[in-house]
Amino acid sequence: EDKVVQSPLSLVVHEGDTVTLNCSYEVTNFRSLLWYKQEKKAPTFLFMLTSSGIEKKSGRLSSILDKKELFSILNITATQTGDSAIYLCAVESSNYKLTFGKGTLLTVNP
Amino acid sequence: DTEVTQTPKHLVMGMTNKKSLKCEQHMGHRAMYWYKQKAKKPPELMFVYSYEKLSINESVPSRFSPECPNSSLLNLHLHALQPEDSALYLCASSRTGSGDNYGYTFGSGTRLTVV
Repeated sequence: EDKVVQSPLSLVVHEGDTVTLNCSYEVTNFRSLLWYKQEKKAPTFLFMLTSSGIEKKSGRLSSILDKKELFSILNITATQTGDSAIYLCAVESSNYKLTFGKGTLLTVNP
Repeated sequence: DTEVTQTPKHLVMGMTNKKSLKCEQHMGHRAMYWYKQKAKKPPELMFVYSYEKLSINESVPSRFSPECPNSSLLNLHLHALQPEDSALYLCASSRTGSGDNYGYTFGSGTRLTVV
């Protein structure tokens, strides 16, 4: 059975801090790893990672995948209160099945 | 158009009712998905349609019946639901094929309450 484990499950920081969210996985027929941010409703897409060692960046967010050690990290620098959300990691297997981790609840206090 | 549109946004139904959830996308995506998300839990996959054919059914009870009338539309027909089926139902779509960097696009969901 495919498995995705995120850590920590929750995190409270102050504005301006840098955070690192972790995602490890065990999946048959790995295709990609995706990061999503979920606030009230739909998860919104952040990154899709398919290759090891290539960092993807979008503003203050960045992510990297290690396919040998089967994990990914999501970094957020200079956090803002608007970054408060649940961050979901999902792994796609070759049959378009997404398996989600439980998420990391990030709270950024002013 | 880069959105997945779900209707209705909220639905309250009795256990003997029949209702349908609708999902629409015009991005040319050929894979569409239904997910169920309970409070404070990650989304759980229910169904996958690829090129309008059902390719994955995650052992979902028959009281949930998906339908894909065409490449832009995905329905979820509901009948004789139980209160524990109350949840946020998310539709998503994706392009098929490899080398895609766009991931999945999720709709805003339908908040379903079964009374």
